[in-house]
Amino acid sequence: NAGVTQTPKFQVLKTGQSMTLQCAQDMNHEYMSWYRQDPGMGLRLIHYSVGAGITDQGEVPNGYNVSRSTTEDFPLRLLSAAPSQTSVYFCASSYHVGASTEAFFGQGTRLTVV
Amino acid sequence: KQEVTQIPAALSVPEGENLVLNCSFTDSAIYNLQWFRQDPGKGLTSLLLIQSSQREQTSGRLNASLDKSSGRSTLYIAASQPGDSATYLCAVNQAGTALIFGKGTTLSVSS
Repeated sequence: NAGVTQTPKFQVLKTGQSMTLQCAQDMNHEYMSWYRQDPGMGLRLIHYSVGAGITDQGEVPNGYNVSRSTTEDFPLRLLSAAPSQTSVYFCASSYHVGASTEAFFGQGTRLTVV
Repeated sequence: KQEVTQIPAALSVPEGENLVLNCSFTDSAIYNLQWFRQDPGKGLTSLLLIQSSQREQTSGRLNASLDKSSGRSTLYIAASQPGDSATYLCAVNQAGTALIFGKGTTLSVSS
């Protein structure tokens, strides 16, 4: 039972480079989301999706794009990496939006932008 | 705007002590509240989920309570062990769209 899988676990980027953080879940969850975790800031919502084909912005969406072409996958794209995007990124999923269900998190991607 | 606060930010206790971690939130219109554990450099592990209609949930040595009207939740850890050392996060599920997190309480249990 894989749950929520994030790849890669670690990544170093140069300023201006682009990359995609992958997130996949095998629990048939409708709702998926991306958070970033920074010291002293806690976890902040970047983007979320309530189902395939539907995405919306969270608290800190600038510099990130998402898409949801399948129920299982929710990739996060950094278009032009900046040092301010150095952070730990977590993907989460839960069964149904609007219902009171448990959220499950991936193990995180630690990103450093130099 | 919902705000979640966790007190204390850090806590050090000797092994065997019972302890309480506190979480408060400003808007009582929540679907549920979830407590997580995070070990250094690791992801979030769900500990307990309390529905908005529930008052408490228990799992082993952990007991979480919820008082929605006062905007408070507590996580009680009985007979603490060094293996309980971690950061504990609470998060409220509001409007079913996102979890809003507190900044966590970092617990250190010494043997």
